[in-house]
Amino acid sequence: EAQVTQNPRYLITVTGKKLTVTCSQNMNHEYMSWYRQDPGLGLRQIYYSMNVEVTDKGDVPEGYKVSRKEKRNFPLILESPSPNQTSLYFCASSLVQGAEPQHFGDGTRLSIL
Amino acid sequence: GESVGLHLPTLSVQEGDNSIINCAYSNSASDYFIWYKQESGKGPQFIIDIRSNMDKRQGQRVTVLLNKTVKHLSLQIAATQPGDSAVYFCAENGASGTYKYIFGTGTRLKVLA
Repeated sequence: EAQVTQNPRYLITVTGKKLTVTCSQNMNHEYMSWYRQDPGLGLRQIYYSMNVEVTDKGDVPEGYKVSRKEKRNFPLILESPSPNQTSLYFCASSLVQGAEPQHFGDGTRLSIL
Repeated sequence: GESVGLHLPTLSVQEGDNSIINCAYSNSASDYFIWYKQESGKGPQFIIDIRSNMDKRQGQRVTVLLNKTVKHLSLQIAATQPGDSAVYFCAENGASGTYKYIFGTGTRLKVLA
């Protein structure tokens, strides 16, 4: 089954404790992206990757890092999480950018205390 | 700046009626538009898309209309069913070459029995 898989689905942690949210897709998609979703603000793009070893900032990249060492994986790293990063996070992928719809994971709810 | 907005945050319709969800976009250079449906606890799910060289596209019970003159996008759902209750987002790819997606804040559709 074609899917985007995120882990963990839920995480409660404390300020400053590094964490990684994994994302994996099995569709051989080139384009992958991370979003955060906050009430009243909709989906905002954090980082995206056009292909392996090619990443770039979205609209809200501060406090986040990403890597794309393999085509299927695109982890989101919070080196020193802060309470303002409490949010619902989505990973998405598409074959290419701008001409195909994205497939989304089911989300990761992060709470930073 | 670039933005994608929705006119109505909540739309209530009777079961069996048609629903129309509207979206305004500000980037006249956007050439690809997508509608997503998001159910509670899930990631956005692709419904239908349209490219800027088209005015209308139909799917199963859904139709997307694009009016480039006024930069307006709409999603029409025919014979609305209880399973259509969800939040609906429009998205645009921004100008070609930006490699970003811009999402609206969403409209909640409530189907009344």
